[in-house]
Amino acid sequence: EPEVTQTPSHQVTQMGQEVILRCVPISNHLYFYWYRQILGQKVEFLVSFYNNEISEKSEIFDDQFSVERPDGSNFTLKIRSTKLEDSAMYFCATNRHEGSISYNEQFFGPGTRLTVL
Amino acid sequence: KQEVTQIPAALSVPEGENLVLNCSFTDSAIYNLQWFRQDPGKGLTSLLLIQSSQREQTSGRLNASLDKSSGRSTLYIAASQPGDSATYLCAGETAYSGAGSYQLTFGKGTKLSVIP
Repeated sequence: EPEVTQTPSHQVTQMGQEVILRCVPISNHLYFYWYRQILGQKVEFLVSFYNNEISEKSEIFDDQFSVERPDGSNFTLKIRSTKLEDSAMYFCATNRHEGSISYNEQFFGPGTRLTVL
Repeated sequence: KQEVTQIPAALSVPEGENLVLNCSFTDSAIYNLQWFRQDPGKGLTSLLLIQSSQREQTSGRLNASLDKSSGRSTLYIAASQPGDSATYLCAGETAYSGAGSYQLTFGKGTKLSVIP
């Protein structure tokens, strides 16, 4: 069964460094999302992406964050200058889209655990 | 702003028992509701999606209901097994953007332990 994959599974970085988290969506899924979960807290929406542009973003998604689909397959989340409070599990999710019908169910990847020291 | 609450935060039951997990949301304009399972340190596995025009969905031993007027959803698990032990999250899609992009608002989850 197709699934969303994410790399790396765990990333450790120094405060102030840039990190890029990668996601490979399920093929024929065209809507992509990033969420994060700080340890012990709720899963929070960051951003949604469709047709090579951001559809929606939360207040968490400030200028330090960016998303892109550089090669038509990978979907990336970049944090330009990491802060201690960016330490969290980051999840990629995708929606299926077939023709003019949009399917609502979101499928999540296994996540990338980001640790900022 | 949509808020999603799950009660109880933790639940421990003996194997074989039927159980109900509760989810409430503040904005009745919720579009869809999705239940997930999360194992420790792992990703989110989608269990059931209830669209706004539906009142319930069933998958195997799981049954989820949605009552938009009261702002509540329940997940019923029949004949619980130790393998059901996990955290169960509910998430509501609160605004239909029209662009096919659905933002989920999550509850904090109910941690279920099924004792053999």
